[in-house]
Amino acid sequence: NAGVTQTPKFRILKIGQSMTLQCTQDMNHNYMYWYRQDPGMGLKLIYYSVGAGITDKGEVPNGYNVSRSTTEDFPLRLELAAPSQTSVYFCASRDFSGASVGTQYFGPGTRLLVL
Amino acid sequence: DAKTTQPPSMDCAEGRAANLPCNHSTISGNEYVYWYRQIHSQGPQYIIHGLKNNETNEMASLIITEDRKSSTLILPHATLRDTAVYYCIVRAGGTSYGKLTFGQGTILTVHP
Repeated sequence: NAGVTQTPKFRILKIGQSMTLQCTQDMNHNYMYWYRQDPGMGLKLIYYSVGAGITDKGEVPNGYNVSRSTTEDFPLRLELAAPSQTSVYFCASRDFSGASVGTQYFGPGTRLLVL
Repeated sequence: DAKTTQPPSMDCAEGRAANLPCNHSTISGNEYVYWYRQIHSQGPQYIIHGLKNNETNEMASLIITEDRKSSTLILPHATLRDTAVYYCIVRAGGTSYGKLTFGQGTILTVHP
């Protein structure tokens, strides 16, 4: 299993540009998440999904959109990039079971710089 | 979710056991204790979790006090590659969507 993969690894955007961060998992997990991590800070939840076709907002959803058309993929769309969106973005997934609610598997991250 | 308190930093000599403490005095009966770590520039990595009993896996051991108000993550033979930020997270089980709240964690530095 490759686990959770993310592309690209690094990207520089100009203010106002848009892009899609890709996330794919091969563990057949129902739940998927997008977090962002600013320098020296903890992770903040942007969006999450509990299954194909079902998504919901996390703590910091403004400026982002998501979709979940398949179990495997959970892309994050940035529209009109702003410097405040400079961050490292992590995708994660987990299985559906009571005890494993806190057991999430993270991808390697995408570093985004908005200039 | 219950609040957790961890020391900001710890040092450990390579080959020795690293014992990382975590206080969670307001933990509820249905809340699990999870440990993650984040090596520089990488995604967080799940290590271990437990409810009441002590747990051990190939990476670490988790010791939870009888009153469940604190726990200790033990890396039995720390290596330089174990240098990372370690996060203790308390989270209820069940079918919620499972947002994880990462605090500041403990920066563990393993030195030769």
